[in-house]
Amino acid sequence: AQRVTQPEKLLSVFKGAPVELKCNYSYSGSPELFWYVQYSRQRLQLLLRHISRESIKGFTADLNKGETSFHLKKPFAQEEDSAMYYCALSPPGNTPLVFGKGTRLSVIA
Amino acid sequence: KAGVTQTPRYLIKTRGQQVTLSCSPISGHRSVSWYQQTPGQGLQFLFEYFSETQRNKGNFPGRFSGRQFSNSRSEMNVSTLELGDSALYLCASSLDRPAQEQYFGPGTRLTVT
Repeated sequence: AQRVTQPEKLLSVFKGAPVELKCNYSYSGSPELFWYVQYSRQRLQLLLRHISRESIKGFTADLNKGETSFHLKKPFAQEEDSAMYYCALSPPGNTPLVFGKGTRLSVIA
Repeated sequence: KAGVTQTPRYLIKTRGQQVTLSCSPISGHRSVSWYQQTPGQGLQFLFEYFSETQRNKGNFPGRFSGRQFSNSRSEMNVSTLELGDSALYLCASSLDRPAQEQYFGPGTRLTVT
């Protein structure tokens, strides 16, 4: 069965420090993976997807098929990065997204 | 394009009552998914509708139901409310596959007392 694991419920870092939000997945095929973000009092929104290989708001994520991971990274955290982050896996066909339980990132000034 | 809208935004109900939540997807989007979001469990998938048919269902009791209309608008209903149903209910729409990029609504905050 497909599964997404985000091992940290809460991650606190100081402003300017590097950030890595961990995401591990369980899936036998070639997955499509996403990171969604929910800022305080805002709706959940797509941050980035692995197929686009782009950097959004300074965040990048690389798919590592060997380690079945899709960690989200940013070299220098900003206070406005404080939010809830969800990793999600897209199975093939018409089955729904599989979300991890989320990691709350708190950036301390 | 207008985003996904959900009504009402806030609801307070009493145990045993029932509630209906509404979701209007982005124009042209035919897949509508519903999620329950709680601090302890994160996002839990309820069900997904496409072309007025329930195409996917999560592990929730039969008290949770939904439907989709011909214009893709969707409603979800919870009958015989329990205290544990208190949560933020999110609706998300996508073009035609539920695992494509999803666009989320602001949610309906349901409090059961």
